[in-house]
Parts: sequence; structure tokens; C-alpha cells
Amino acid sequence: GQNIDQPTEMTATEGAIVQINCTYQTSGFNGLFWYQQHAGEAPTFLSYNVLDGLEEKGRFSSFLSRSKGYSYLLLKELQMKDSASYICAVKDSNYQLIWGAGTKLIIKP
Amino acid sequence: DGGITQSPKYLFRKEGQNVTLSCEQNLNHDAMYWYRQDPGQGLRLIYYSQIVNDFQKGDIAEGYSVSREKKESFPLTVTSAQKNPTAFYLCATGGGGDTDTQYFGPGTRLTVL
Repeated sequence: GQNIDQPTEMTATEGAIVQINCTYQTSGFNGLFWYQQHAGEAPTFLSYNVLDGLEEKGRFSSFLSRSKGYSYLLLKELQMKDSASYICAVKDSNYQLIWGAGTKLIIKP
Repeated sequence: DGGITQSPKYLFRKEGQNVTLSCEQNLNHDAMYWYRQDPGQGLRLIYYSQIVNDFQKGDIAEGYSVSREKKESFPLTVTSAQKNPTAFYLCATGGGGDTDTQYFGPGTRLTVL
């Protein structure tokens, strides 16, 4: 079967850096997405990786290694508003999105 | 103002009643999707449509129905056959292109009493 694994919950301190990992086993690969979801709200798109390497967008960066079936989302200079769930999703060989359960990130002052 | 709208934000229904959730978009996206989200679980695909007048079942279509008569609209009906309808329902559109990123509406939280 197809599977995406992410830690259920992480805690970090305001101003620090946190790395959220995602490993996947899917039938084929056509891209990996990261979404942010605040409690009670809809997911919003953060980043997309299809080739190996690091994509940087301001305080957020996303890394992909296709050979390892691995990605991470790096958040720098954490702010209280970054408290949210971060969801990893992979597009498989049929171009269907397989969704992880999300990682709840708690930011402490 | 471009975007995806879902209404209402909160919906309450009695058990045994059908209910229709609306999803409208003015992004001119061809693809539209309905997901269900339950606490602690990933998004689960209910139905999707890649073009007007055509739609396909997702992973958990039983107890749901959809229509796609217009490009802008993709309503979802939760029927009385759905055993556990209380959930957060999310509509998304597909941007197409190289990444085909999905963008979400604000969601409807359905509670069946």
C-alpha cells in the first residue's frame, strides 16, 4: 500500500529552527507538496518539490531526496503564528495525491 | 475577488437527512475535488472532477454524491447512507500546469445530531 509518515507532534521555541520530516512509500512519484493548516482552517499551499534538492521560500525551505523517499520542511526564525499542522502530500504515478496525517507544531515563547 | 467559496461554514443536520454542501470557484480551474478530514487522519478523497459533466469516485465515495454541471460549481450531497457524516469537508481546485497544485476553500464543518 501507499504510505506517508510524519511525526504526530513537535514542539519548538519562538525564534528557533525546526525540521519536520516526511518519508513516503508510493507507487511512483510525480511531486511532493507541503501544506500548512491552522486549527479549524483549510490547508494552504507552502511548497512543491519534484527534483532532488532544497527549495527556499523566505523563512521556509523544503528538501527532497527521491532515492530515499524522504523530504523535510525547515522553518527558521519561528514565530507564534507558525503554530499549525504541517501536511506532506505526494503525487503518485496516477497523479493522485496521497496525504500524510500532518505534524502538529507547537511554538512556545 | 478570486477564490474558492464554501458555504455554510458550520452546518447542523438531523440523522437521516440529506444535506448538500456548496463549492464555487472563479479561478477558472478545470479540476475540482472533495475531501473529508477527521481528527488525527490525513485528507481522504471523496469525489473529483477533471472536466464539466464528468466526475470519478475517490477512496470513500459511499454515501456521497456530486454533480458538475458548471465549471465553477461542484456541490457535494451527503446522503443518509453515509454512516459517519460528521466531519470537516474541504473543497479544492486543481491549478493544472507543471505542478497542478491543489488550492482549498475554507471548508464546511458538518455535524449530524
